[in-house]
Amino acid sequence: SAVISQKPSRDICQRGTSLTIQCQVDSQVTMMFWYRQQPGQSLTLIATANQGSEATYESGFVIDKFPISRPNLTFSTLTVSNMSPEDSSIYLCSVGHRVGEKLFFGSGTQLSVL
Amino acid sequence: GESVGLHLPTLSVQEGDNSIINCAYSNSASDYFIWYKQESGKGPQFIIDIRSNMDKRQGQRVTVLLNKTVKHLSLQIAATQPGDSAVYFCAERTGTASKLTFGTGTRLQVTL
Repeated sequence: SAVISQKPSRDICQRGTSLTIQCQVDSQVTMMFWYRQQPGQSLTLIATANQGSEATYESGFVIDKFPISRPNLTFSTLTVSNMSPEDSSIYLCSVGHRVGEKLFFGSGTQLSVL
Repeated sequence: GESVGLHLPTLSVQEGDNSIINCAYSNSASDYFIWYKQESGKGPQFIIDIRSNMDKRQGQRVTVLLNKTVKHLSLQIAATQPGDSAVYFCAERTGTASKLTFGTGTRLQVTL
């Protein structure tokens, strides 16, 4: 398994501002992903965070809105830019050690946008 | 905090009974499936996984059954306990990438 630390755990933000969420893992991992979980709903993949290169975004998500960094094999950030109330969600970091095997999740960042 | 399971289907089970949570997956090419448990305010926690070349796998108090013919997955929890109360998600993986597609989730309520 992996110990995943996600910060902040929750935040309340004003419309139009940006928030950067950090994901730190206690060991090097091959894969890192960012998911969104809207209130009362399931998890939706935002993007794959690629080490040393641009993230790969899923349909409906764009880099300008959700810029992602992954400078090394243990750390990634997701920024939610120019926030609106529709961005209120739980944002989750997920990691995997080997391609094709189970993924582990951080505890999430609960974001509320006023 | 905000509840994960506000709009999810709910299964109510008495403590000590067995629970069966069902999931229909979408892609017949999916080759790997996982069940996650999510408690309020926490991230999903891995429970058990199964590959498409199997139809049953057992863990501690949990069993996953896979029926590829009808694209159906189930999670059985034996002797359900109050600590099992949570939202349960199935997830499927298709192809060589490791990204997962999650099902809609089921909220399990254990009554005393």
